[in-house]
Amino acid sequence: EAGVTQFPSHSVIEKGQTVTLRCDPISGHDNLYWYRRVMGKEIKFLLHFVKESKQDESGMPNNRFLAERTGGTYSTLKVQPAELEDSGVYFCASSQDRTGLETQYFGPGTRLLVL
Amino acid sequence: AQSVTQLGSHVSVSEGALVLLRCNYSSSVPPYLFWYVQYPNQGLQLLLKYTSAATLVKGINGFEAEFKKSETSFHLTKPSAHMSDAAEYFCAVSAPGNQFYFGTGTSLTVIP
Repeated sequence: EAGVTQFPSHSVIEKGQTVTLRCDPISGHDNLYWYRRVMGKEIKFLLHFVKESKQDESGMPNNRFLAERTGGTYSTLKVQPAELEDSGVYFCASSQDRTGLETQYFGPGTRLLVL
Repeated sequence: AQSVTQLGSHVSVSEGALVLLRCNYSSSVPPYLFWYVQYPNQGLQLLLKYTSAATLVKGINGFEAEFKKSETSFHLTKPSAHMSDAAEYFCAVSAPGNQFYFGTGTSLTVIP
């Protein structure tokens, strides 16, 4: 069974540009999460999808970030326009249920550097 | 509210020595606790999890962790470090609704 995949693995962009990150969850997992780790700090929750609906987006930093999950399969996270402080590693995770008991399976992350 | 504190951002041990990575948590509800490991250029991999069953949890690769409610701790241990254990380790607590709260991570170096 394929794990969670993320694309691209690395992205280097200039301030003001737009970047779109993609996450493909494990097949059959209704729950999809985005997290971000700024260098040296903790991994922080961004948002949670249940199928195509946003269950919790309390961690989204500001309105420059837009997440979508059309059709309840893969998800995209767009940053527009990117700022220097958006640099970090963006992780995607998926799980089958929403109780908090279920393990979240993480992808390898996308390393974003904004210059 | 939930939070996790990992003491020691870097830990070094000799090969064959005991590994002890510390994690203290804060939770307003009975917690579910996790340890994840990240090897270079890979995603986070689950080591073990505590979900209110046995307080001593055994995970993969010889790791285990003990839930101590009185100390609000969930420290990760391994009796004998191996070179392949060198990685970054994250402790996490889950909240109702499934959001995870992570610690800042501990980078483990194993010295030959």
